[in-house]
Amino acid sequence: EVQLVESGGGLVKPGGSLRLSCAASGLTFSTYSMNWVRQAPGKGLEWVSSINSASSSIYYADSVKGRFTISRDNAKNSLYLQMNSLRPEDTAVYYCARSPTGRLDYWGQGTLVTVSS
Amino acid sequence: QSVLTQPPSVSAVPGQKVTISCSGSSSNIGSYYVSWYQQLPGKAPKLLIYDNNKRPSGIPDRFSGSKSGTSGTLDITGLQTGDEADYYCGTWDSSLSAVVFGGGTKVTVL
Repeated sequence: EVQLVESGGGLVKPGGSLRLSCAASGLTFSTYSMNWVRQAPGKGLEWVSSINSASSSIYYADSVKGRFTISRDNAKNSLYLQMNSLRPEDTAVYYCARSPTGRLDYWGQGTLVTVSS
Repeated sequence: QSVLTQPPSVSAVPGQKVTISCSGSSSNIGSYYVSWYQQLPGKAPKLLIYDNNKRPSGIPDRFSGSKSGTSGTLDITGLQTGDEADYYCGTWDSSLSAVVFGGGTKVTVL
């Protein structure tokens, strides 16, 4: 059974940093592209970033470009999101999701990031 | 402002059919497969339809998808109270080099 478990969320002040992790099990992690998707309270889904299996293709939403960095460690079956210069509008539940080809087929349960003074 | 446009809400009585539209452009739906996601209250999104009209294992055939030009459609037949959720369409956008979603449609069972 595929499992994706996010961690690392919490309360952080504006301008601060946070590193999210996503631990994968039940899949050959190294063969799949992975994504981060977020959802602000009461709002819709917003894609944040994608990384392919070899970390050779990386994409970011304009809203986080230059502040967030996606990475992965295939040996540890783990996906990461380094978030710097956090803003109140980054407050959201952050989900990691697997994407075989053009679809997000497995999602984690999410981790809440709150940016507030 | 979402790149893909969905109606904010649709509703119907149990047993009826609802249709959710997802309108895009040539750089997204016009060029790539459409996926649909169901998000039950307080839960993570779940893949409902992929490659325009395919269902993952375990998804009942009451859910069906289609695509025509730059629009996708999700149909839910035999509506059940357990179908009350938010539904999102999604695809890749080549102009943005980004995954894009619709704003979501809330399905209410009357």
